[in-house]
Amino acid sequence: AQRVTQPEKLLSVFKGAPVELKCNYSYSGSPELFWYVQYSRQRLQLLLRHISRESIKGFTADLNKGETSFHLKKPFAQEEDSAMYYCALSPLNGNKLVFGAGTILRVKS
Amino acid sequence: NAGVTQTPKFQVLKTGQSMTLQCAQDMNHEYMSWYRQDPGMGLRLIHYSVGAGITDQGEVPNGYNVSRSTTEDFPLRLLSAAPSQTSVYFCASSTRQGNTEAFFGQGTRLTVV
Repeated sequence: AQRVTQPEKLLSVFKGAPVELKCNYSYSGSPELFWYVQYSRQRLQLLLRHISRESIKGFTADLNKGETSFHLKKPFAQEEDSAMYYCALSPLNGNKLVFGAGTILRVKS
Repeated sequence: NAGVTQTPKFQVLKTGQSMTLQCAQDMNHEYMSWYRQDPGMGLRLIHYSVGAGITDQGEVPNGYNVSRSTTEDFPLRLLSAAPSQTSVYFCASSTRQGNTEAFFGQGTRLTVV
Protein backbone atom coordinates (compact mmCIF):
# COMPACT_ATOMS: atom_id res chain seq x y z
CA ALA A 1 0.00 0.00 0.00
CA GLN A 2 1.12 3.51 -0.71
CA ARG A 3 1.30 5.75 2.30
CA VAL A 4 2.91 9.04 3.22
CA THR A 5 3.35 9.95 6.87
CA GLN A 6 4.05 13.43 8.18
CA PRO A 7 4.27 12.99 11.94
CA GLU A 8 4.04 16.65 12.92
CA LYS A 9 0.79 18.56 12.50
CA LEU A 10 2.45 21.80 13.57
CA LEU A 11 6.06 22.90 13.67
CA SER A 12 6.81 26.24 15.27
CA VAL A 13 10.31 27.76 15.03
CA PHE A 14 11.92 31.15 15.46
CA LYS A 15 13.17 33.17 12.53
CA GLY A 16 16.74 32.16 11.68
CA ALA A 17 16.42 28.70 13.24
CA PRO A 18 16.88 25.54 11.18
CA VAL A 19 13.80 23.76 9.93
CA GLU A 20 13.21 20.08 9.25
CA LEU A 21 9.81 18.84 8.15
CA LYS A 22 9.64 15.08 8.37
CA CYS A 23 8.20 12.79 5.72
CA ASN A 24 8.24 9.00 5.65
CA TYR A 25 6.72 6.86 2.96
CA SER A 26 5.83 3.28 2.21
CA TYR A 27 5.71 2.02 -1.33
CA SER A 28 6.55 -1.32 -2.89
CA GLY A 29 8.44 0.09 -5.87
CA SER A 30 10.53 3.19 -6.52
CA PRO A 31 8.31 6.24 -6.13
CA GLU A 32 8.90 9.81 -7.07
CA LEU A 33 8.73 12.19 -4.10
CA PHE A 34 7.48 15.77 -3.97
CA TRP A 35 6.96 18.61 -1.54
CA TYR A 36 3.99 20.88 -2.17
CA VAL A 37 3.32 24.12 -0.26
CA GLN A 38 0.18 26.12 0.38
CA TYR A 39 0.73 29.70 1.53
CA SER A 40 -2.13 31.59 3.14
CA ARG A 41 -4.84 32.45 0.61
CA GLN A 42 -2.87 30.88 -2.23
CA ARG A 43 -3.31 27.66 -4.13
CA LEU A 44 -1.26 24.54 -3.57
CA GLN A 45 1.96 24.64 -5.57
CA LEU A 46 5.00 22.51 -6.14
CA LEU A 47 7.98 23.40 -3.97
CA LEU A 48 10.44 20.77 -5.09
CA ARG A 49 10.71 17.21 -6.32
CA HIS A 50 13.33 14.58 -5.79
CA ILE A 51 14.03 13.97 -9.46
CA SER A 52 15.14 17.59 -9.97
CA ARG A 53 17.57 17.58 -7.04
CA GLU A 54 17.22 21.32 -6.77
CA SER A 55 17.02 23.84 -3.96
CA ILE A 56 14.00 26.11 -3.98
CA LYS A 57 13.70 29.12 -1.65
CA GLY A 58 16.57 27.64 0.36
CA PHE A 59 14.77 24.33 0.92
CA THR A 60 16.31 20.97 0.10
CA ALA A 61 15.08 17.42 0.50
CA ASP A 62 17.13 14.25 0.37
CA LEU A 63 15.66 10.89 -0.44
CA ASN A 64 16.84 8.20 1.98
CA LYS A 65 15.72 4.89 0.53
CA GLY A 66 17.02 2.93 3.51
CA GLU A 67 14.88 4.90 5.95
CA THR A 68 12.16 5.58 3.34
CA SER A 69 12.26 9.24 4.21
CA PHE A 70 12.19 12.52 2.27
CA HIS A 71 12.63 15.18 4.92
CA LEU A 72 12.46 18.86 3.93
CA LYS A 73 15.17 21.08 5.37
CA LYS A 74 16.14 24.71 5.46
CA PRO A 75 19.10 26.04 7.46
CA PHE A 76 17.60 29.43 8.38
CA ALA A 77 13.81 29.86 8.55
CA GLN A 78 12.19 33.06 7.36
CA GLU A 79 8.77 34.43 8.30
CA GLU A 80 7.58 34.07 4.71
CA ASP A 81 8.14 30.31 4.98
CA SER A 82 5.06 30.04 7.19
CA ALA A 83 2.65 27.79 5.30
CA MET A 84 1.18 24.29 5.08
CA TYR A 85 3.60 21.77 3.63
CA TYR A 86 2.56 18.48 2.06
CA CYS A 87 4.82 15.59 1.20
CA ALA A 88 3.56 13.46 -1.70
CA LEU A 89 4.57 10.47 -3.76
CA SER A 90 3.64 9.11 -7.13
CA PRO A 91 4.59 5.88 -8.84
CA LEU A 92 7.58 6.17 -11.12
CA ASN A 93 6.27 7.37 -14.50
CA GLY A 94 2.80 7.76 -12.98
CA ASN A 95 0.57 10.72 -12.22
CA LYS A 96 -1.48 9.75 -9.17
CA LEU A 97 -0.29 11.67 -6.13
CA VAL A 98 -0.60 10.30 -2.61
CA PHE A 99 -0.36 13.04 -0.01
CA GLY A 100 0.59 13.09 3.62
CA ALA A 101 -1.59 14.82 6.20
CA GLY A 102 0.47 18.00 5.98
CA THR A 103 2.54 20.02 8.45
CA ILE A 104 1.84 23.63 9.34
CA LEU A 105 5.08 25.55 9.65
CA ARG A 106 4.94 28.72 11.75
CA VAL A 107 8.00 30.94 11.79
CA LYS A 108 7.94 33.38 14.68
CA SER A 109 9.79 36.67 14.74
CA ASN B 1 -2.36 32.70 -17.42
CA ALA B 2 -5.58 31.17 -16.07
CA GLY B 3 -4.13 27.71 -15.33
CA VAL B 4 -6.72 25.65 -13.42
CA THR B 5 -9.99 27.41 -12.64
CA GLN B 6 -12.55 26.09 -10.18
CA THR B 7 -16.05 27.38 -9.61
CA PRO B 8 -17.67 28.14 -7.26
CA LYS B 9 -15.22 29.17 -4.52
CA PHE B 10 -17.78 28.65 -1.76
CA GLN B 11 -21.02 26.66 -1.61
CA VAL B 12 -23.51 25.70 1.06
CA LEU B 13 -25.81 22.77 0.34
CA LYS B 14 -28.62 21.11 2.20
CA THR B 15 -28.42 17.38 2.81
CA GLY B 16 -29.74 15.53 -0.22
CA GLN B 17 -29.15 18.31 -2.73
CA SER B 18 -27.01 17.71 -5.79
CA MET B 19 -24.53 20.02 -7.42
CA THR B 20 -21.58 20.13 -9.81
CA LEU B 21 -18.18 21.57 -9.04
CA GLN B 22 -16.61 22.92 -12.19
CA CYS B 23 -12.95 22.60 -13.15
CA ALA B 24 -11.33 23.89 -16.31
CA GLN B 25 -7.70 24.07 -17.41
CA ASP B 26 -6.16 25.85 -20.38
CA MET B 27 -2.78 24.10 -20.47
CA ASN B 28 -3.84 21.18 -22.68
CA HIS B 29 -3.05 18.75 -19.88
CA GLU B 30 -4.16 15.15 -20.35
CA TYR B 31 -4.28 14.23 -16.67
CA MET B 32 -6.86 15.80 -14.35
CA SER B 33 -7.90 14.86 -10.86
CA TRP B 34 -10.11 15.81 -7.94
CA TYR B 35 -9.02 15.79 -4.30
CA ARG B 36 -10.72 16.57 -1.06
CA GLN B 37 -8.79 18.20 1.77
CA ASP B 38 -9.80 17.42 5.34
CA PRO B 39 -7.99 18.41 8.55
CA GLY B 40 -5.52 15.78 9.65
CA MET B 41 -6.02 13.71 6.51
CA GLY B 42 -4.25 15.68 3.83
CA LEU B 43 -5.52 15.50 0.28
CA ARG B 44 -7.30 12.33 -0.80
CA LEU B 45 -7.92 11.43 -4.42
CA ILE B 46 -11.58 11.19 -5.41
CA HIS B 47 -11.51 10.59 -9.18
CA TYR B 48 -9.04 11.12 -11.97
CA SER B 49 -8.86 11.14 -15.76
CA VAL B 50 -5.97 10.42 -18.11
CA GLY B 51 -7.70 11.95 -21.12
CA ALA B 52 -11.03 12.82 -22.68
CA GLY B 53 -13.50 9.98 -22.29
CA ILE B 54 -11.41 8.14 -19.68
CA THR B 55 -12.05 8.36 -15.95
CA ASP B 56 -11.26 6.17 -12.97
CA GLN B 57 -11.84 6.04 -9.23
CA GLY B 58 -9.41 7.23 -6.63
CA GLU B 59 -9.26 6.54 -2.92
CA VAL B 60 -12.62 8.05 -1.87
CA PRO B 61 -15.01 7.93 -4.88
CA ASN B 62 -18.30 7.13 -3.15
CA GLY B 63 -20.94 9.81 -3.54
CA TYR B 64 -19.20 11.49 -6.47
CA ASN B 65 -19.39 11.18 -10.23
CA VAL B 66 -17.13 12.60 -12.92
CA SER B 67 -17.03 12.80 -16.68
CA ARG B 68 -14.44 14.06 -19.16
CA SER B 69 -16.02 15.04 -22.45
CA THR B 70 -13.25 17.52 -23.36
CA THR B 71 -9.57 17.89 -22.52
CA GLU B 72 -10.26 21.19 -20.78
CA ASP B 73 -13.13 20.33 -18.41
CA PHE B 74 -13.47 17.85 -15.57
CA PRO B 75 -16.61 18.47 -13.51
CA LEU B 76 -17.26 16.73 -10.20
CA ARG B 77 -20.88 15.88 -9.37
CA LEU B 78 -22.25 15.33 -5.90
CA LEU B 79 -25.29 13.14 -6.36
CA SER B 80 -26.97 13.56 -2.96
CA ALA B 81 -24.93 15.72 -0.63
CA ALA B 82 -24.20 14.47 2.88
CA PRO B 83 -22.59 16.30 5.84
CA SER B 84 -19.59 13.97 5.50
CA GLN B 85 -18.87 15.65 2.17
CA THR B 86 -18.20 18.97 3.87
CA SER B 87 -14.66 19.65 2.76
CA VAL B 88 -12.40 21.73 0.56
CA TYR B 89 -12.19 20.34 -2.96
CA PHE B 90 -9.21 20.80 -5.24
CA CYS B 91 -8.92 20.11 -8.92
CA ALA B 92 -5.48 19.51 -10.41
CA SER B 93 -4.01 18.92 -13.84
CA SER B 94 -0.69 17.77 -15.25
CA THR B 95 0.78 16.40 -18.44
CA ARG B 96 0.40 12.69 -18.87
CA GLN B 97 4.14 12.25 -18.73
CA GLY B 98 4.92 10.87 -15.33
CA ASN B 99 6.25 12.78 -12.37
CA THR B 100 5.56 16.22 -13.75
CA GLU B 101 4.30 19.13 -11.70
CA ALA B 102 0.60 19.11 -10.81
CA PHE B 103 -1.16 22.47 -11.09
CA PHE B 104 -3.99 23.10 -8.65
CA GLY B 105 -7.09 25.22 -8.70
CA GLN B 106 -7.83 27.63 -5.87
CA GLY B 107 -10.25 25.23 -4.23
CA THR B 108 -13.98 25.06 -3.50
CA ARG B 109 -15.08 25.18 0.13
CA LEU B 110 -18.25 23.12 0.42
CA THR B 111 -20.46 22.96 3.49
CA VAL B 112 -23.34 20.49 3.69
CA VAL B 113 -25.88 21.25 6.39
